Amino acid sequence: DTGVSQDPRHKITKRGQNVTFRCDPISEHNRLYWYRQTLGQGPEFLTYFQNEAQLEKSRLLSDRFSAERPKGSFSTLEIQRTEQGDSAMYLCASSLSNPAPQYFGPGTRLTVL
Amino acid sequence: KNQVEQSPQSLIILEGKNCTLQCNYTVSPFSNLRWYKQDTGRGPVSLTIMTFSENTKSNGRYTATLDADTKQSSLHITASQLSDSASYICVGLQSGGGADGLTFGKGTHLIIQP
Repeated sequence: DTGVSQDPRHKITKRGQNVTFRCDPISEHNRLYWYRQTLGQGPEFLTYFQNEAQLEKSRLLSDRFSAERPKGSFSTLEIQRTEQGDSAMYLCASSLSNPAPQYFGPGTRLTVL
Repeated sequence: KNQVEQSPQSLIILEGKNCTLQCNYTVSPFSNLRWYKQDTGRGPVSLTIMTFSENTKSNGRYTATLDADTKQSSLHITASQLSDSASYICVGLQSGGGADGLTFGKGTHLIIQP
């Protein structure tokens, strides 16, 4: 399978715990994006990498959120001290340079109890 | 502020029927408009991408139209199938806007009934 993959697909955690998600983009794609999506809403932009450089961060990305793409390949998104409001689907997408289409992964559904 | 408004919010049609989903966008400067299909619990999948010079683009039974003057787009689904049940998201890309230049609509939730 040469598409975007995300791990885990589902994560249930207790409030206050830290969680980390992983995204493996399509191998030749230099751009990688993280989005958050809640029920009935479109995806909301969180952050974006071009190769290993994190070029943009949304105001939605509080200091509890951190993302890395250390070698310009896979990326991780960590949420520290999770809150119930963090419950959402976290989507990763990759693309070649704009205006190329984005290819989305299946998402990681986070539930914070 | 860039905005993408979609209508209807939800739609139920019988299998085999056609339907049209609407998207009004305010994205400036405009680069392109995209339609995605998102199955429940899955990531969005790209259906079409259109620049301002393209009026229509087809992908199988899906046909998207774009009117750059009125800033409206539509997605027409022909001979609907049960597998068309999904959310359809309209996305506008701002020229030179970087990753944050993508403005997502809230989607139209389409249900195909047998």
